Amino acid sequence: EVQLVESGGGLVQPGGSLRLSCAASGFTFSSYWMSWVRQAPGKGLEWVATIKGDGGEKYYVDSVKGRFTISRDNAKNSLYLQMDSLRAVDAAVYYCARDRIPESYGDMDVWGKGTTVIVSS
Amino acid sequence: DIVMTQSPLSLPVTPGEPASISCRSSQSLLHSNGYNFLDWYLQKPGQSPQLLIFLGSNRASGVPDRFSGSGSGTDFTLKISRVEAEDVGVYYCMNSLRAPLSFGGGTKVEIK
Repeated sequence: EVQLVESGGGLVQPGGSLRLSCAASGFTFSSYWMSWVRQAPGKGLEWVATIKGDGGEKYYVDSVKGRFTISRDNAKNSLYLQMDSLRAVDAAVYYCARDRIPESYGDMDVWGKGTTVIVSS
Repeated sequence: DIVMTQSPLSLPVTPGEPASISCRSSQSLLHSNGYNFLDWYLQKPGQSPQLLIFLGSNRASGVPDRFSGSGSGTDFTLKISRVEAEDVGVYYCMNSLRAPLSFGGGTKVEIK
């Protein structure tokens, strides 16, 4: 069964750091682009970052550039999101998602259940 | 950056009746390969989003054929031929042409 399981969310103070993880199973992880998408409380979906299967290309939404880093460990079938200098507006449920085909990003066809990040003093 | 705009914001529907959601992009999503890079997602209450339609008109695996996507360039439509109670939730369109990827604001579909 194809599955994504996020972890690492929690309560952090403004300016603090958090590292989210996403464990993948049931497919050849290293072949697929992977993405993080977030959803603030009561709000819509916002794409955060995307990384190519070999880690050679990465893209970010402007609001997190320089603060967040997407990475992956294909040997561990894991995706990560290092979040630094966190702000209150970063509070959200963070979803890990697989992009549908290895050749390109977009079309996210498998989603995890999400992990919640709370930024508050 | 590409901005996605959906309408309506809210859509009360009657089971068995058709429903339609519009999505407009600020730039063309038509690639030189002839495909429109536009996705539709549904987020049911309390659940993660799920992919319904990719490349403008292709149903994702397991999606019922009452869902259809159409449009090209900057104007797109998601249609449900006969709404069922399980179709309630928030529908999002998304630019999948190039980063930064961008979602529309969402359309909440609820049963009358």
